[in-house]
Order: sequence, then C-alpha cells, then structure tokens
Amino acid sequence: DADVTQTPRNRITKTGKRIMLECSQTKGHDRMYWYRQDPGLGLRLIYYSFDVKDINKGEISDGYSVSRQAQAKFSLSLESAIPNQTALYFCATSDSGTGMYNEQFFGPGTRLTVL
Amino acid sequence: KQEVTQIPAALSVPEGENLVLNCSFTDSAIYNLQWFRQDPGKGLTSLLLIQSSQREQTSGRLNASLDKSSGRSTLYIAASQPGDSATYLCAVRGFQKLVFGTGTRLLVSP
Repeated sequence: DADVTQTPRNRITKTGKRIMLECSQTKGHDRMYWYRQDPGLGLRLIYYSFDVKDINKGEISDGYSVSRQAQAKFSLSLESAIPNQTALYFCATSDSGTGMYNEQFFGPGTRLTVL
Repeated sequence: KQEVTQIPAALSVPEGENLVLNCSFTDSAIYNLQWFRQDPGKGLTSLLLIQSSQREQTSGRLNASLDKSSGRSTLYIAASQPGDSATYLCAVRGFQKLVFGTGTRLLVSP
C-alpha cells in the first residue's frame, strides 16, 4: 500500500461548488503539506501543518481551507470553487526537525477541474 | 524571497549518454536541497536529499552536488536509459517550507 494516499484522484466540478480533497498517510510523520501544481509555475505551497493542533498558511492560501483531523489525515477544502483553481493538487508529509529527517514524501496527486 | 531556476527546461538525449541537470537558487540560507522525479499524471518521487552541510549525494546512477555559496546544484545521470524519461524537479528547503523549481523535462530515446 502507498504511504501517502489522496482521494479522489480526479474530480470535475462546477464553479461555486464546495470540494474537499483528502490525504492520508501511514508513514507516521507529524508534518503534512498541501501544494498545487500549475504548468510553468512549479509547485506552490497552500497550507501546512506541523502537528494536529497546528495550521499555517502557505504562499497561496486564499480560497482554500484545511483541517487536520488526526496525525495521519489532512484535508483541503475549496469553499466555492472557481476555474483558476483548476490544477494538480499534491499532499506531502515529512518528519519533524531541520536535520536529516525532513525529506518530503508526496502522494499521487488529485487532478481537479473546475468548469 | 527564494527563487529556484532549472535549466534547461527540456532536454532530449540518446540512450547511454551521461547528462547534467542544473538548479540554481537565490538565497543560500537553506537547510537542504531535494531532487524529485515526476512522471506524467503521477506524484513526485524523491531521488536524493542533500543537507546544507554536504557537498554531494549518490544513489545508483544518480549523483547530486550542492554548492550552497554559489546557489547551485547539479543532478548527474550516468548512462541514461529510456526509463529515465520524466520531469526532474529540484526544491530547496528554507525555514519551514520547500521552494520548487519548474523542472527539466527529460526525454531519453532508445
């Protein structure tokens, strides 16, 4: 089984709809991240969480919210989806610390299309 | 603000060639640098992680170097194979987050 899983893998929705993307991990890591990837722009950080009670905004958090339900689960919500949120979304995890244990591991991604 | 640049954006080589992918970053205050591979429609696979105190890391046919003072890293792929075809991303770790480059798309022809 994959260490970092994301559901759904693909989603097509309409403008104005509320969407939730879910991420689960079995790596036992305390840190989790949500990124989006757009062609030509690379991956950009949306939100991150260093433990269950910690939520931090990334560089492009507007229009998104997150919930850290447990150490292993981190959900991303689009309260009212708009077409420019069409992108590939990735969840990632890492162990705590700034030394050798902070390699990030990524899920397979969710392709979201907002019509 | 940290900026990460990868050159070239795309590269096409025949099988068997040795090749170098480049990554540069503007702020040398980094904790580490990570190289990833991304296959179409798939997630990112971590290839190598170099800590800021290290100069290089090796894994099989891959060797990554880091020159923090000049803001540069290279990924060397020896004896390239068609299965190496993918997009290669570098990312530098600053305080609390990774900053990614836009990647080099590699095509290795049989």
